Amino acid sequence: GAVVSQHPSRVICKSGTSVKIECRSLDFQATTMFWYRQFPKQSLMLMATSNEGSKATYEQGVEKDKFLINHASLTLSTLTVTSAHPEDSSFYICSASRTGRDTQYFGPGTRLTVL
Amino acid sequence: QKEVEQDPGPLSVPEGAIVSLNCTYSNSAFQYFMWYRQYSRKGPELLMYTYSSGNKEDGRFTAQVDKSSKYISLFIRDSQPSDSATYLCAMNAGGTSYGKLTFGQGTILTVHP
Repeated sequence: GAVVSQHPSRVICKSGTSVKIECRSLDFQATTMFWYRQFPKQSLMLMATSNEGSKATYEQGVEKDKFLINHASLTLSTLTVTSAHPEDSSFYICSASRTGRDTQYFGPGTRLTVL
Repeated sequence: QKEVEQDPGPLSVPEGAIVSLNCTYSNSAFQYFMWYRQYSRKGPELLMYTYSSGNKEDGRFTAQVDKSSKYISLFIRDSQPSDSATYLCAMNAGGTSYGKLTFGQGTILTVHP
């Protein structure tokens, strides 16, 4: 149990385009989902926390207009990187937590490369 | 000072060795403690989850939490090459933290045959 999927696993796009990444909890309802980015050989950096049906809470320094998060249902959250630039190239990972619990289950990650 | 400190290693051990991984923290509000394993280019996988002080064992893995010292450990017995990965400690304060985790930097472990 507690499986989280992400799609796509890798994406390459041109500078200036937008990219959408999906995060799904497959066998449980996730009231809260989290989005992280991770640079090579570094730990995870939390970008935002989203609760189903409400606006995401962004961490300091994360541009909410650039990284759009939608948590439309208890099993799906999306991250859209708008007008992507090469510096947005990174490994993006989502996680989900179950109602009333304080641990997170992570997706396999999405590697974004912006040319 | 970071809220959670973890020696990044790298740590290299022979197969069959006992591995000890550690984290220290400064926030006394932390109540929930986790260890994640992350293989290269994959998402973190939850290994152990403990609440407050004490020990928890699961197969070859043992997690220890000492809240008085603000120190947590993960022990791996009879280590295998397949244990080679980055190990991340994580913790949160529970309650109104809404599950937000604070991570250590991660320790890179290599178990060689």
